Amino acid sequence: DGGITQSPKYLFRKEGQNVTLSCEQNLNHDAMYWYRQDPGQGLRLIYYSQIVNDFQKGDIAEGYSVSREKKESFPLTVTSAQKNPTAFYLCASSIVGDLLNEQFFGPGTRLTVL
Amino acid sequence: QKEVEQNSGPLSVPEGAIASLNCTYSDRGSQSFFWYRQYSGKSPELIMFIYSNGDKEDGRFTAQLNKASQYVSLLIRDSQPSDSATYLCAVTYWAGNNRKLIWGLGTSLAVNP
Repeated sequence: DGGITQSPKYLFRKEGQNVTLSCEQNLNHDAMYWYRQDPGQGLRLIYYSQIVNDFQKGDIAEGYSVSREKKESFPLTVTSAQKNPTAFYLCASSIVGDLLNEQFFGPGTRLTVL
Repeated sequence: QKEVEQNSGPLSVPEGAIASLNCTYSDRGSQSFFWYRQYSGKSPELIMFIYSNGDKEDGRFTAQLNKASQYVSLLIRDSQPSDSATYLCAVTYWAGNNRKLIWGLGTSLAVNP
């Protein structure tokens, strides 16, 4: 079955720690995205990648980093510089990155800072 | 500041009724319009997308786009309790030379048995 997987489902982080969220897709999609969802706010774009070895900042990239070494994988690192990292993190992919095509989402990772 | 607005709800309808969800957007140049359903604690899943003015039907769902009035709506016929969820509207727009996607906050729908 084709789809997007994210791990872990739940993640707890102590202040000052960096953590990495995994996102893998086997849909053969070129574009991948990371969003953050907070209660009462719409989805906000953190980073996106339209092609392997290339990525761009979204609207709220500060305190986050990504890599795109393989087409299938787009991991997100939440660094200690991110002041309020507790949120629901969603990874998505689309056939191409022109935003004219629908995005498909993984199941999400819920990050809590202790 | 580009905006997508949705009534937060909750919108409550009886089982079997038609649920009507609305979304207005601010950019006349918007090209693509998406409706996603999100159950509590889960990720969004695509319901429908529409690019052209008019109606697009898929099973019990109909998306309606009116670019002149800058709104897109989603109708759910024969509503079922399993349709109870938050419905997100997403719209593309141009920001300089870049196309971007903006998300509404969602409308909560409750279908009562």
